[in-house]
Amino acid sequence: EVQLLESGGGLVQPGGSLRLSCAASGFTFARYAMSWVRQAPGKGLEWVSAVRGSGVGTFYADSVKGRFTISRDNSKNTLYLQMNSLRGEDTALYYCAKGGANCGGDCYYDYWGQGTLVTVSS
Amino acid sequence: EIVLTQSPATLSLSPGERATLSCRASQSVSSYLAWYQQKPGQAPRLLIYDASNRATGIPARFSGSGSGTDFTLTISSLEPEDFAVYYCQQRANWPLTFGPGTTVDIK
Repeated sequence: EVQLLESGGGLVQPGGSLRLSCAASGFTFARYAMSWVRQAPGKGLEWVSAVRGSGVGTFYADSVKGRFTISRDNSKNTLYLQMNSLRGEDTALYYCAKGGANCGGDCYYDYWGQGTLVTVSS
Repeated sequence: EIVLTQSPATLSLSPGERATLSCRASQSVSSYLAWYQQKPGQAPRLLIYDASNRATGIPARFSGSGSGTDFTLTISSLEPEDFAVYYCQQRANWPLTFGPGTTVDIK
């Protein structure tokens, strides 16, 4: 059974940093691209970032480019999102999502975690 | 950036009725479009990929059609568990984008 378990969310002041983690199980992690997708309270879905299965090849939304860094450790079956220079508009539930078959980063997402909440506020 | 527009914003229907949801892209995405369902407090669930292919375990009452810029998700006969928010997503161009969603609620 595929499982994605996010952690690392919390309350942070504007300008601060957080590192999100997503522990994956139930599939061959290194074979699949992974992404972070966020959802602000009461709002729709926003794609944030993606990384290819190998870890070589990363992609970002313009809204987070230069501030967020996606990475993965295939030996630990874990996906990360380092978030720096956080802003109020980054407040959201952050989902970890597994890419489907045959996508190199530009994926549909067939499994999602339950999300970890990031709140940016003073 | 490809902008996806969904209509209507809200669809009020009764169980057993047919639901027709629209997603329009600001430029062609070929068939690189997916549909997701999201219920309150839950993560999204993939329903349809590549415009018309049902994801694993998705009931046959869900179907997708379209190509280029105009796409449709049809639920042939609404079940009580189908009342939710539906999003489309394109993967034709970076950045990947989602539509704003259509809420299907009980009339």
